[in-house]
Amino acid sequence: DSGVTQTPKHLITATGQRVTLRCSPRSGDLSVYWYQQSLDQGLQFLIHYYNGEERAKGNILERFSAQQFPDLHSELNLSSLELGDSALYFCASSGRRDRGVNEQFFGPGTRLTVL
Amino acid sequence: LAKTTQPISMDSYEGQEVNITCSHNNIATNDYITWYQQFPSQGPRFIIQGYKTKVTNEVASLFIPADRKSSTLSLPRVSLSDTAVYYCLVVGGYQKVTFGTGTKLQVIP
Repeated sequence: DSGVTQTPKHLITATGQRVTLRCSPRSGDLSVYWYQQSLDQGLQFLIHYYNGEERAKGNILERFSAQQFPDLHSELNLSSLELGDSALYFCASSGRRDRGVNEQFFGPGTRLTVL
Repeated sequence: LAKTTQPISMDSYEGQEVNITCSHNNIATNDYITWYQQFPSQGPRFIIQGYKTKVTNEVASLFIPADRKSSTLSLPRVSLSDTAVYYCLVVGGYQKVTFGTGTKLQVIP
């Protein structure tokens, strides 16, 4: 158990709909990352938040948005869903580290199926 | 952002040592080399991280030559449970993080 929680575990919806995925980072971690993984693909970095502020943006579509709240949990909003948005969405968190790059701890993921 | 290149797949017999090499020719001074392991339908799990020379933990060793343009993840005496995808990352600070396609390791009994 990484300490990162994601809800829901599974989500089935229809094209054109909007969904919200939720992530709670490990206790004390200020950074939250979102990734998308389509079938048999590598992980695509979407966005990184640190203590409520956006720090880096990857290949995130305009239909997608995210935010990190004062209690440090994060939500990823996906709108106008298309069939191609079906994927596993992972959230990861990391904390302060004296040196090196912060190790990321991944949640169990949310499997989104768009029909 | 440093680009990494690693083999798409590898096969190994149980009990053997497995070495997976990753190329990162344009690694920057502040970049660290990190390896993750991912099982199907699970989030990646951190294995090891290093800056130069050799790093060893209870799971693996990481060898980094002086020029840091490549690195080798060494898994001693693999078992069937080590069958997974292994990702090499080169990251420094708050950069976009690119996992790439990874190396799919298949351990054969």
